[in-house]
Amino acid sequence: GQNIDQPTEMTATEGAIVQINCTYQTSGFNGLFWYQQHAGEAPTFLSYNVLDGLEEKGRFSSFLSRSKGYSYLLLKELQMKDSASYLCAVRLASGGYQKVTFGTGTKLQVIP
Amino acid sequence: SQTIHQWPATLVQPVGSPLSLECTVEGTSNPNLYWYRQAAGRGLQLLFYSVGIGQISSEVPQNLSASRPQDRQFILSSKKLLLSDSGFYLCAWSVLVWQGTNNSPLHFGNGTRLTVT
Repeated sequence: GQNIDQPTEMTATEGAIVQINCTYQTSGFNGLFWYQQHAGEAPTFLSYNVLDGLEEKGRFSSFLSRSKGYSYLLLKELQMKDSASYLCAVRLASGGYQKVTFGTGTKLQVIP
Repeated sequence: SQTIHQWPATLVQPVGSPLSLECTVEGTSNPNLYWYRQAAGRGLQLLFYSVGIGQISSEVPQNLSASRPQDRQFILSSKKLLLSDSGFYLCAWSVLVWQGTNNSPLHFGNGTRLTVT
């Protein structure tokens, strides 16, 4: 089976940096995604890691260590609009079959 | 470009009534298709996924079913709704990906908010 863990809630200050961690135990790992979800809306794609290391996209960066089953999402220069839930998701693949399993999400509140 | 359509946006149904939610994808062929449910304040729970017409994998035993009658059409159904079926239902698609570094995220529809009363 799969197990994906994230902190439930975090609070950070506008302009600061926040790191949201995700740990997973899976078999057939084939990539890790981060999504942003504002209340009442569908998730939107932020980043993807399949190899170890850091992927940077503007204010957002994501890191992966496959040997440790660990990823983090780094948000820099926080803005009020970054208040949302951040979902870690793991893709599992076996042949042509793949499924994507989500963690429970981290609700981030950005305060002035 | 690819688009995903999901309807209706909101739905209120009595306990014991049937359900049919539809999702269609445009602009791509042979996508992987998914149904997720999100209970209030909770994470996304994978319900069904499909890699082709008539090929459905169920993740959670329950009173829901899914069908894929056409390549880009995915339907979620129930014969008799339960109160516990209330939630935010999300359809998603992705490109069929084999092992490798190909970035193929899930693209979500806008969701259907279902309230069972």
